[in-house]
Amino acid sequence: SYVLTQPPSLSVAPGQTARMTCGGNNIGIKSVHWYQLKPGQAPVLVIYYDRDRPSRIPERFSGSKSGNTATLTISRVEAGDEADYYCRVWDSSSDHVVFGGGTKLTVL
Amino acid sequence: EVQLLESGGGLAQPGGSLRLSCAASGFTFSSYAMTWVRQAPGKGLEWVSGIVGSGTTTYYADSVKGRFTISRDNSKNTLYLEMNSLRAGDTAVYFCAKGTHSDYPRAHDYWGQGTLVTVSS
Repeated sequence: SYVLTQPPSLSVAPGQTARMTCGGNNIGIKSVHWYQLKPGQAPVLVIYYDRDRPSRIPERFSGSKSGNTATLTISRVEAGDEADYYCRVWDSSSDHVVFGGGTKLTVL
Repeated sequence: EVQLLESGGGLAQPGGSLRLSCAASGFTFSSYAMTWVRQAPGKGLEWVSGIVGSGTTTYYADSVKGRFTISRDNSKNTLYLEMNSLRAGDTAVYFCAKGTHSDYPRAHDYWGQGTLVTVSS
């Protein structure tokens, strides 16, 4: 089955840049979506189709992809960005949605 | 405003059944695919099942295939997840999510707050 690999944790100081990676075989040909999940809240779509940003998401959030890695970048990190972030793709060989294991972003 | 409200969670015995519902409002329900995703305690997000806007095509994770059934009633703007032969490993918060188009798969642009399912004797 298809696997997406995310580092389990990342710590960043306020005002700095957080870069969270999502690795997977041939991820370059798949559409990657990113979700933010805070405890007790509904998940929020922050990036879709690799780099598009919903209108309600701040411009500080951006997505990119290179080789076998997709990256979610949060510029000028704020305390309110502290959350778990998940990448997601569609595995066409199995007709399954696949989530990465998630990265816990801690704002120092 | 898009709203998704899950209900039907609770305590079930191993081998038992539950039916989850997701009441949708604020959009043309039949025009969008829908998805169930769960999060077990202390774990990450796990995709469970999806259904296209018309209801004619469904998708299931291997872990639930044959035990869970996704369906929708477009006249009632409601998504369902019938869960049978429940196991302890099904214990999780179950979220419903709206797709960005009627077909599958697409990004999930709106999510409900979730309903907790606990499977225990």
